[in-house]
Formats: sequence, C-alpha cells, structure tokens
Amino acid sequence: DAKTTQPTSMDCAEGRAANLPCNHSTISGNEYVYWYRQIHSQGPQYIIHGLKNNETNEMASLIITEDRKSSTLILPHATLRDTAVYYCIVRVAMNYGGSQGNLIFGKGTKLSVKP
Amino acid sequence: SQTIHQWPATLVQPVGSPLSLECTVEGTSNPNLYWYRQAAGRGLQLLFYSVGIGQISSEVPQNLSASRPQDRQFILSSKKLLLSDSGFYLCAWTLGGNSPLHFGNGTRLTVT
Repeated sequence: DAKTTQPTSMDCAEGRAANLPCNHSTISGNEYVYWYRQIHSQGPQYIIHGLKNNETNEMASLIITEDRKSSTLILPHATLRDTAVYYCIVRVAMNYGGSQGNLIFGKGTKLSVKP
Repeated sequence: SQTIHQWPATLVQPVGSPLSLECTVEGTSNPNLYWYRQAAGRGLQLLFYSVGIGQISSEVPQNLSASRPQDRQFILSSKKLLLSDSGFYLCAWTLGGNSPLHFGNGTRLTVT
C-alpha cells in the first residue's frame, strides 16, 4: 500500500502557482520524498526529491515540513502542459539497487490546469 | 544527458504468440535497470530488475522473462503470451543511492 495520502484532484488557473500537498505521517528517517507526474499514455516523469531540506529545480520546488510528515510540491507558474496525475512517493535510498527500486504509486492527484 | 528509449510504443499480439520488448539507456554506465507493468488505473508493479550484465532478479513469478545482454540494454520476453499479460510496460533506470528512477515512455501491449 502507498505510504502517502494526496487529494484526488485539484484545479489551477494557468499562470498561477499550483500547490500540491502530500501527507506521509509514517515516513522513516532514511526515506526520501519523491515526486513524479504522469501524463496519459506516457511513462512517469521525475520531478524532484528531497530528504528534509527544501529543494528547487527548473521544474518545481519541494517544501518538506520540519517534522517531515508532509510536503508540498509547488509548480510556480502552471501551464496547460502541467495537466497530469502527480504522485508523491516515499522511499529509502538504494545502496545497491535491486528491489529497493520498487516504487509504490498511490492514486496521486489529478491536476487540471485551466485557461 | 541521459536518455532512455523503449519500443515499440504500442503492440497488439494474439494469445500464444512470443513477445520481445527492448529498452536501451544512453549517456550513463552500469545503470540499475527495471521492468514495470502498470495496469489501468493502478500503480506500478515491479517485474524484473538488473544490477549488471546477465544479472536478473524476478519479483513476480509469471510467464515473462528478462535479459540484459549489454550494459545498457534490457529486454522483456515471453514465449507464449496470455490475455492477462495485457498492460502498460515501463522500463526504468537509476544509478542507485538516492538517485531517482527515470522511466521510458512505455509500451502498451494488448493481447487478443
């Protein structure tokens, strides 16, 4: 079972920031938070990940609460192409690969960006 | 930069026919490679993973098999397809540690 809880769906106006929340109250100290998104009929696309510090890259920002029990993915200026299902996943780092590469995808949040 | 190629994008095969899906990674060496299956509206099921040439581990017993003949090539095969093999097959790679998994665009297989 997924170890995260996300809202089923969200709407966002084009050009506005999209803030996608995720609860992971049972996260362990060695587990990272990863965000992916999946557009229909395509493979999941990696967005960003973090352990406890906030992270930013060219796609998004990740804000992790101090107790690490929740996080928020921020798309600063949403476009129509950001319409997708967004998945929040917690996972330990893989020291040697193998089955730790398994990703438990929950149902995710369907983000609809509207003009 | 690293890229992952997966083909074909779609495939329709009759029951009992063989299967061969190929995945290649460019721009990196000695990646960990994975085959997943995603059923409609559900999560990703890990099928096989490989940490090196010729090293294959199976997560789910089934009539599928995998091979890694070269460092950056991963192949998913079946001798005789079943209706239940229909699904969206994804190849992925990572360098391990806390590096993320990167997925190909998948193959949608329909067994008729």
